Amino acid sequence: GAVVSQHPSWVICKSGTSVKIECRSLDFQATTMFWYRQFPKQSLMLMATSNEGSKATYEQGVEKDKFLINHASLTLSTLTVTSAHPEDSSFYICSARDDVGTGGNNEQFFGPGTRLTVL
Amino acid sequence: AQSVTQLGSHVSVSEGALVLLRCNYSSSVPPYLFWYVQYPNQGLQLLLKYTSAATLVKGINGFEAEFKKSETSFHLTKPSAHMSDAAEYFCAVTFSGGYQKVTFGTGTKLQVIP
Repeated sequence: GAVVSQHPSWVICKSGTSVKIECRSLDFQATTMFWYRQFPKQSLMLMATSNEGSKATYEQGVEKDKFLINHASLTLSTLTVTSAHPEDSSFYICSARDDVGTGGNNEQFFGPGTRLTVL
Repeated sequence: AQSVTQLGSHVSVSEGALVLLRCNYSSSVPPYLFWYVQYPNQGLQLLLKYTSAATLVKGINGFEAEFKKSETSFHLTKPSAHMSDAAEYFCAVTFSGGYQKVTFGTGTKLQVIP
């Protein structure tokens, strides 16, 4: 089945530093990947849509200069949290659509998530 | 605009009892509907999906859901709850075709009492 990995699975950093999170589709190509943020006991909030070879599309209220997204290949998207602060602490989840397999079904395959803690 | 509403942020059932998690959707066009399960500190796993074929959809782990257009509902059920079913469940909606974004409900935490 379609597998999506994320690295790291958890990270602790100091306030003011930048953190990069990787999202990889392991056995399929994904032109489109999505980045979500999930606060404790809440649902997933879409942050941005990552498009291979083009700029990401950010949801309203999401700072694009704060959350840098790079979709460098058909199997890799990265989210960089720049100048992280404690309020950026959250669970970040990516998902990817199989370019071939899902057709019009719009099924997303989710990564295991990355727990970011900013001290 | 599309949206889903999950009634009840917490549901408790006894082991062996019926599980019923409610989801109502709002969509101006025929929707695609999904149920996902999330275990603590993990990503989402697809339980089942409705994509305009059969209205009764069977998924993994004994779960099923029925698409009812007249009620704009897509409730998730399982005849007999198991301890391992304790998790957070999310209903989600999108449109058919293309690369439309998925909108998630607020989630329902299922507790199974031994």
